[in-house]
Amino acid sequence: QVQLQESGPGLVKPSETLSLTCTVSGDSITGYYWTWIRQPPGKGLEWIGYVYYSGSTNYSPSLRTRVTISVDKSKNQFSLRLRSVTAADTAVYYCARYYGDYLVFDYWGQGTLVSVSS
Amino acid sequence: QTVVTQEPSFSVSPGGTITLTCGLSSGSVSTSYYPSWFQQTPGQAPRTLIYTTNTRSSGVPDRFSGSILGNKAALTITGAQADDESDYYCLLYMGSGTWVFGGGTKLTVL
Repeated sequence: QVQLQESGPGLVKPSETLSLTCTVSGDSITGYYWTWIRQPPGKGLEWIGYVYYSGSTNYSPSLRTRVTISVDKSKNQFSLRLRSVTAADTAVYYCARYYGDYLVFDYWGQGTLVSVSS
Repeated sequence: QTVVTQEPSFSVSPGGTITLTCGLSSGSVSTSYYPSWFQQTPGQAPRTLIYTTNTRSSGVPDRFSGSILGNKAALTITGAQADDESDYYCLLYMGSGTWVFGGGTKLTVL
């Protein structure tokens, strides 16, 4: 059974960089797209972007200038970095697997709340 | 930027049938947008219900079905149950490797 687990600081100061890691267990990171999705408290879901196992990436146009998603195949992990955060970046951040052959987001992490506050 | 639209809220009686829709602020949704549908209860991660318009994810009851109705993607729940009370989100592929979620529909079963 594939499992994804987000980890990282739960509190980030404004203007700093938010960094999260998603650890994948139960399958190799190879062959799939790995995505980040977030949800501000009480609001809807927002697709942030993905990294392919090869390292190629794609991001939401609204976040493209501030976000980097990377993959570490040796650790079966992928990571999110969001620069210059503000209170508007406070959200539950989910990692998820996108299986491109079937066009399905099939496995999700449980999510982790990151608050931006001084 | 194109906005993906969903009804903010809907209610259905137990045993009833309801259709939630997913549209575009400009243009029509087709199978080329590979619509997906997700169910989310408070405090939980989303659960994938439907992908590529009408394919049910593993373990999803067949009372959930997806389709294209007119110019929108649609999620139909037949024989609604109390535990179907959730938020439902659609997700569309917008091309160039990017995806956009709809704003979500809060479904009440009463």
